[in-house]
Amino acid sequence: EDQVTQSPEALRLQEGESSSLNCSYTVSGLRGLFWYRQDPGKGPEFLFTLYSAGEEKEKERLKATLTKKESFLHITAPKPEDSATYLCAVRDAGNNRKLIWGLGTSLAVNP
Amino acid sequence: GAVVSQHPSRVICKSGTSVKIECRSLDFQATTMFWYRQFPKQSLMLMATSNEGSKATYEQGVEKDKFLINHASLTLSTLTVTSAHPEDSSFYICSASPTGFAGELFFGEGSRLTVL
Repeated sequence: EDQVTQSPEALRLQEGESSSLNCSYTVSGLRGLFWYRQDPGKGPEFLFTLYSAGEEKEKERLKATLTKKESFLHITAPKPEDSATYLCAVRDAGNNRKLIWGLGTSLAVNP
Repeated sequence: GAVVSQHPSRVICKSGTSVKIECRSLDFQATTMFWYRQFPKQSLMLMATSNEGSKATYEQGVEKDKFLINHASLTLSTLTVTSAHPEDSSFYICSASPTGFAGELFFGEGSRLTVL
């Protein structure tokens, strides 16, 4: 069964303290891994798409990487405004119109 | 980026009443929209896929007579929670894809439904 597991569940960092969030997946034939950011009480905001092992994408302080079993979201020198829940999802192997979502990592960056 | 507008953001209703939530894609045509439900500390749960001009496709376990979805145009989809009960209280979020496939989705801001 296709599955997405994110860790840690919650992470608290000091401003400027770099770290990584993990997204492990099991899917029969990856057809896209997606990272989103969700602020409290809001809908998710798309960040990155990764398709193949070795691929990397960057946006400001965020960098997403992909291996055959997991993806990392690296946050370099985070700021308080990076505080949010980061969600990872993979496209369902049998249905292009469905994503399988992880539970997310709740990130808090203290000033 | 693309903008998806969802309204209302919050609604409180009495048990037994019906509530309609609107989802509009403002700057692109969305042949497909997705409706999600989210509980605290749980992942997004896909309720149904809404296709313009045709019947929505509901996920297993989602009552289609309870959650009526209409996608009358390429920019508007609506979700009506009929005869709402307290257990229907939740955060409902719509999303749209320019390609019609799930992946790079643009989400609305969500609607918090509280049924008294």
